[in-house]
Amino acid sequence: NAGVTQTPKFQVLKTGQSMTLQCAQDMNHNSMYWYRQDPGMGLRLIYYSASEGTTDKGEVPNGYNVSRLNKREFSLRLESAAPSQTSVYFCASEYWLAVGTDTQYFGPGTRLTVL
Amino acid sequence: SQQGEEDPQALSIQEGENATMNCSYKTSINNLQWYRQNSGRGLVHLILIRSNEREKHSGRLRVTLDTSKKSSSLLITASRAADTASYFCATCPSEAGNQFYFGTGTSLTVIP
Repeated sequence: NAGVTQTPKFQVLKTGQSMTLQCAQDMNHNSMYWYRQDPGMGLRLIYYSASEGTTDKGEVPNGYNVSRLNKREFSLRLESAAPSQTSVYFCASEYWLAVGTDTQYFGPGTRLTVL
Repeated sequence: SQQGEEDPQALSIQEGENATMNCSYKTSINNLQWYRQNSGRGLVHLILIRSNEREKHSGRLRVTLDTSKKSSSLLITASRAADTASYFCATCPSEAGNQFYFGTGTSLTVIP
């Protein structure tokens, strides 16, 4: 099993450009998440998808959109990138069976710089 | 913010010593988890402790949870240079369904 994979690993954008970060998991997990990690800030949840066909906002959703394409794939789109979106983005997945029993599995991250 | 806060922000110890890091949070939780992150890598889950548990062990890791003080501690015994990493606590608040909130992390350096 590859676990959680993310593409690309690195990306540099100019302000106003758009891009989509891809995430896929092969663990048959039902829930998937997108986080951003900034220095000194820990991880903050952008969006999550509790199950195929559903998406919900997290702590910091502004400037982002997501698509749960199927059970395996969860993409994050920046429509008009801004320098404040320079960050490391992590995708995670879990098999959410019941509250209090779950762990999340993380991808290797995408390092995004917006100039 | 519902983020937890780790303390200390940075910790440097000699190999063989024990390392203790703490996490405080603000709301009632279903569970609390500790993750490790090596520089430039994703997070790796270490241990989960439920709100009705007070202590849990996994190998050289010992986690305690005090829900009355809204705090948790992670103890790494007999540290090794390979334990050098950042350690994060993540809380699952009672009212937040399956959302996790991560703290800002403790950077641990174990000197050989």
